Amino acid sequence: AQTVTQSQPEMSVQEAETVTLSCTYDTSESDYYLFWYKQPPSRQMILVIRQEAYKQQNATENRFSVNFQKAAKSFSLKISDSQLGDAAMYFCALPINNAGNMLTFGGGTRLMVKP
Amino acid sequence: DTAVSQTPKYLVTQMGNDKSIKCEQNLGHDTMYWYKQDSKKFLKIMFSYNNKELIINETVPNRFSPKSPDKAHLNLHINSLELGDSAVYFCASSQAGGTYEQYFGPGTRLTVT
Repeated sequence: AQTVTQSQPEMSVQEAETVTLSCTYDTSESDYYLFWYKQPPSRQMILVIRQEAYKQQNATENRFSVNFQKAAKSFSLKISDSQLGDAAMYFCALPINNAGNMLTFGGGTRLMVKP
Repeated sequence: DTAVSQTPKYLVTQMGNDKSIKCEQNLGHDTMYWYKQDSKKFLKIMFSYNNKELIINETVPNRFSPKSPDKAHLNLHINSLELGDSAVYFCASSQAGGTYEQYFGPGTRLTVT
């Protein structure tokens, strides 16, 4: 079964600095997608970035980028030039195989940004 | 123009009651979902539904049932509410055959007293 693990319950970063959130996963599939979602205090789930497993190039969205290591089943999120608005819960997610594309989520990492 | 909407945003009710949460998406997606987020922020899938197939997470009690009057709506019905049902419930949608990314509603905080 697919599993997603986020080993950092909490992280903090100084404003304008860079932070990396870790995610490891397990799947028997060779082709799949991986996602990072952000949940600010408003509780709205917002898609941050998406990675396709068959693409070797790491995905990038403005200040957000991933370090995708397929062999190691690692999918970390790097946030550059951190801003106060980046403070949120961050969830790594993986579609469950043969299950209507339902997502399985990691336990989340709470990111605090210090001014 | 909200892509995925849920009503109500807050719901307080007593044990034993039956309640429903409504979800609507205007993205033209063909698959909708319900997730439960507990007090520790852990997110768990409950259901996936398109017009062909309902997939139920085996851990979901049968007191929970999704109802879809049409492609744009997936409502969640909960019978005989229990204290442990208190959580935030999220509706989401996606397009099959796409990139599998899901768009979430704002969540409904259910409190059972």
